[in-house]
Amino acid sequence: DAMVIQNPRYQVTQFGKPVTLSCSQTLNHNVMYWYQQKSSQAPKLLFHYYDKDFNNEADTPDNFQSRRPNTSFCFLDIRSPGLGDAAMYLCATSRDGGRGGAVDTQYFGPGTRLTVL
Amino acid sequence: ILNVEQSPQSLHVQEGDSTNFTCSFPSSNFYALHWYRWETAKSPEALFVMTLNGDEKKKGRISATLNTKEGYSYLYIKGSQPEDSATYLCASRSYNTDKLIFGTGTRLQVFP
Repeated sequence: DAMVIQNPRYQVTQFGKPVTLSCSQTLNHNVMYWYQQKSSQAPKLLFHYYDKDFNNEADTPDNFQSRRPNTSFCFLDIRSPGLGDAAMYLCATSRDGGRGGAVDTQYFGPGTRLTVL
Repeated sequence: ILNVEQSPQSLHVQEGDSTNFTCSFPSSNFYALHWYRWETAKSPEALFVMTLNGDEKKKGRISATLNTKEGYSYLYIKGSQPEDSATYLCASRSYNTDKLIFGTGTRLQVFP
């Protein structure tokens, strides 16, 4: 089945130690998104790629970076994790982000839960 | 309303009960409203996407309605089953962006 895969499902890191979260998709979608969801809060968009074009949200801290080496893979790098970065990180894809005029559904991975010690 | 708001935050019902919850969203520049079901340890799963005022969508025992003029959507579950236990998220999209704004979700637990 075509799907969105995230690895690892659980990640523990130490304060200040860089960490990379991985997302891959078999849907061949143009758009890939990264969301952060803290406990009892709404998922918050960090950034997204439309193909190779990177779109950062204005309030995403510089500590968060992303790479998309090809259509299938996208990575979230946290350069120096702080205690406040502990959260569920969700990756999602969509065919064209609705840019073609039609309503576009986002397809999600199961998330990576990050713990910062 | 500037944000997407969902109520109640959580709900506990008995198997067989029908239930409903609400999503409120900004009505200006509205484009689409999405509902997702998120079971523990799984991926959020798309349930419905609605765009027109008065839209009603149905999938098995789950249905949703949309009022774009007043900015709300209801999700109904008829005859709840334990497998309906999940967090139900709604997300709104405006005309001037391709970004989804999510609510905090309603966590539903159905007891046998």
